[in-house]
Order: sequence, then C-alpha cells, then structure tokens
Amino acid sequence: EAQVTQNPRYLITVTGKKLTVTCSQNMNHEYMSWYRQDPGLGLRQIYYSMNVEVTDKGDVPEGYKVSRKEKRNFPLILESPSPNQTSLYFCASTYIGQGNTGELFFGEGSRLTVL
Amino acid sequence: EDQVTQSPEALRLQEGESSSLNCSYTVSGLRGLFWYRQDPGKGPEFLFTLYSAGEEKEKERLKATLTKKESFLHITAPKPEDSATYLCAVQAAGAGSYQLTFGKGTKLSVIP
Repeated sequence: EAQVTQNPRYLITVTGKKLTVTCSQNMNHEYMSWYRQDPGLGLRQIYYSMNVEVTDKGDVPEGYKVSRKEKRNFPLILESPSPNQTSLYFCASTYIGQGNTGELFFGEGSRLTVL
Repeated sequence: EDQVTQSPEALRLQEGESSSLNCSYTVSGLRGLFWYRQDPGKGPEFLFTLYSAGEEKEKERLKATLTKKESFLHITAPKPEDSATYLCAVQAAGAGSYQLTFGKGTKLSVIP
C-alpha cells in the first residue's frame, strides 16, 4: 500500500529536549516536505527536499532542521524545542518532473506538545 | 507573495442542502489549483487539480470549477459523511516549483 508514515504520532516533551520526527514514504517520490498546522493559520511549510541531499527552507523554518540522506526518509529535527513549536506536523511527498500532478500524499500527522 | 483565501470559515448544511465553498487566490502565474479534504486527526486527502480557467472536475457529489481569480467547490445534496475541512491550495508556475500555498480551509458540517 502506498503511504507516508510518520512517527511518533503523539509526543509530549519539555523545552530544550531534542527530538526527531521521522517520515518515510514507499512511493519512490523525489519531493518531500514538512508542514505544520495551527488553528487559524492553516498549513505552513517548514522545509522541503527535491531529492537526496537537496533541501531548502519553506515559510517557517526557524527552530527546525531536516536531512535527506535516503530517498525514502525525511526526518524533522527539533534541536531545542520551545512551546511555540507545539503543533500538528505533517509530512508529504510527491513525484517531480513529468510524473507530477501536483498531488501531495500526506502522512497521518504527528501531534507535538512542548511544555 | 501567493495568497489563498477561503470562505466561509465554517458552513453547516442540512443533509441534501446544496451549497458552494469559495477559494480566492492571487498567484504570479498559476500552475495548478488543488482541493483537499481533511478529516479530524488525519492528513489532507487529494480531491482535484484544476489547471486553467473554465476547467471543471467532478467526483461523486463534489464539483470543482476555476476562474482566473477564484475556484468553487460545489457540493450537491451533501450527506453527513461529507463533513470535513476542505482545503484549497495553489501552485505557482516556475521552473522546479512544487510549493503549494494553502488556504485556512472551510469546515463543513452536514447535519442529518
């Protein structure tokens, strides 16, 4: 089954404790992206990657890091989480080039609470 | 800067009561406009892509239309299972551009 898998789905942590949210897709997509979703603000892009070792900032990259060492994986790293990073996070992926229809495939989401 | 505005923020309909959701956009050259459905606690699920003014797409009780400034998602005779948040997004034209700018969504509730 084609899917984007995120872990953990739920996490409560404390300020300053480094954490990583993993994202893996099994569709051989080149493009992967992280979004955060907050009430009243909608979906905002954090980082994206066009392919292995190619990453770039989205609209709200402050406080986050990413890496793309393998095509299927795109982890989101919070080096020193703060309460304003409490949010619902989504990973998404798609094809680029001729295979691209613009359709993003989303994971189920990771709800993060930073105390 | 690309912008997407959706209205209304929330809409309550009786089962069978048809209506439309609006998505107004400004973008420097439209590559595509997308509609997604999002159920509570889940990731957005793709519904339609529209590429040019005048284009229409249909799926069951949903029909999406596009003009040069806005898109409408028409819901005909909705059922309770159509209750969800509907998101609109635009993708700007440009080499290597795959970024989507999302609106804040319209939360639809269909009452039996």
